[in-house]
Amino acid sequence: GNSVTQMEGPVTLSEEAFLTINCTYTATGYPSLFWYVQYPGEGLQLLLKATKADDKGSNKGFEATYRKETTSFHLEKGSVQVSDSAVYFCALRLPNRDDKIIFGKGTRLHILP
Amino acid sequence: DAGVTQSPTHLIKTRGQQVTLRCSPKSGHDTVSWYQQALGQGPQFIFQYYEEEERQRGNFPDRFSGHQFPNYSSELNVNALLLGDSALYLCASSLDRVNEKLFFGSGTQLSVL
Repeated sequence: GNSVTQMEGPVTLSEEAFLTINCTYTATGYPSLFWYVQYPGEGLQLLLKATKADDKGSNKGFEATYRKETTSFHLEKGSVQVSDSAVYFCALRLPNRDDKIIFGKGTRLHILP
Repeated sequence: DAGVTQSPTHLIKTRGQQVTLRCSPKSGHDTVSWYQQALGQGPQFIFQYYEEEERQRGNFPDRFSGHQFPNYSSELNVNALLLGDSALYLCASSLDRVNEKLFFGSGTQLSVL
């Protein structure tokens, strides 16, 4: 079936470290891919998206590239800040069907000052 | 511009009871989706409402039902509560059923004792 798998957390890094959170997906057709972020006590916010192969989504210093050959959409940031501490969810949207969003389990990120 | 608002923020119920959660979508949005987020998991799609009708449904039993009003606000009802219904319930809104960019509320934390 259609699903999203992302690396388990928590991930703990020091400020200014390089971040990678791995995400792979299984889907029929060509889904749109998303990263959502959930800060403590808040709802999910769209961080970035990519709608077709080789697209790169970017926002707030975060980037992710839609890799169809490896069915991956890894999230990266060159220099993390304490304020990036949150839970990050990789997700996909099934094309031309019921249009619902399927989320991964989330990866908690802790950034130490 | 108000975002997605949900009420109440927290709720405690006992097994067998019924609960109603409420959601007001972002201004200008006409589509409301509900998600269940169990502790440590990603959000799971419950259903979507558009033009006052349920348009799509995830793998949830009939105990979960909803409603959308002419002003686009929505309610989620859960009957015969089970301990396993304890979760964060998220409402998300969008325009014209297009889920490329969902806006989420902060959620209602439901505890079933």
